[in-house]
Amino acid sequence: SQQGEEDPQALSIQEGENATMNCSYKTSINNLQWYRQNSGRGLVHLILIRSNEREKHSGRLRVTLDTSKKSSSLLITASRAADTASYFCATLQRSNYKLTFGKGTLLTVNP
Amino acid sequence: SAVISQKPSRDICQRGTSLTIQCQVDSQVTMMFWYRQQPGQSLTLIATANQGSEATYESGFVIDKFPISRPNLTFSTLTVSNMSPEDSSIYLCSVDSVDTGELFFGEGSRLTVL
Repeated sequence: SQQGEEDPQALSIQEGENATMNCSYKTSINNLQWYRQNSGRGLVHLILIRSNEREKHSGRLRVTLDTSKKSSSLLITASRAADTASYFCATLQRSNYKLTFGKGTLLTVNP
Repeated sequence: SAVISQKPSRDICQRGTSLTIQCQVDSQVTMMFWYRQQPGQSLTLIATANQGSEATYESGFVIDKFPISRPNLTFSTLTVSNMSPEDSSIYLCSVDSVDTGELFFGEGSRLTVL
């Protein structure tokens, strides 16, 4: 079964707005990662947050992690049309050191 | 980081045939991972390919259907055997960073089975 579950499944916003995507998971993790996929192509790693970290920034990306609630959020600020893509969270599980992907959020940024 | 080349990038195949996907990495890596992404779905790990040993398959995937080769530390192949329309997916090769578990992906091979 999927370890990570993102919501919303789809998000449509206007250029310049912020986009927030959430991810929930079930088991203890070593770290949580966010990936981006453009139109069914290969995935690109965006950011990684370790289980002992609560917040991390990278450019226009901000990730938070709440291990007590087993949830994470990805915030993209000042969105651009080029941010249109699917975004996946993935958790590295402590038990077996395997990376398990969630179902993804399809983000559409309208110009 | 690692640069991964996959081919073919896409193919259309007939039911009952087999297709081999190649994955080339620009550096030597211990493990290579093969994922499947069915239409509109997330990624599911098929197997982990280690050089010099049999691949390790995840639940629901078997060697007869998805034979894997790993002849050296920079190359692997995945074969999708006796294909049916249900095998229509994107197949992705990846390698990881030993330190963090971050994955680097190839561009994927989009397979359509008629």
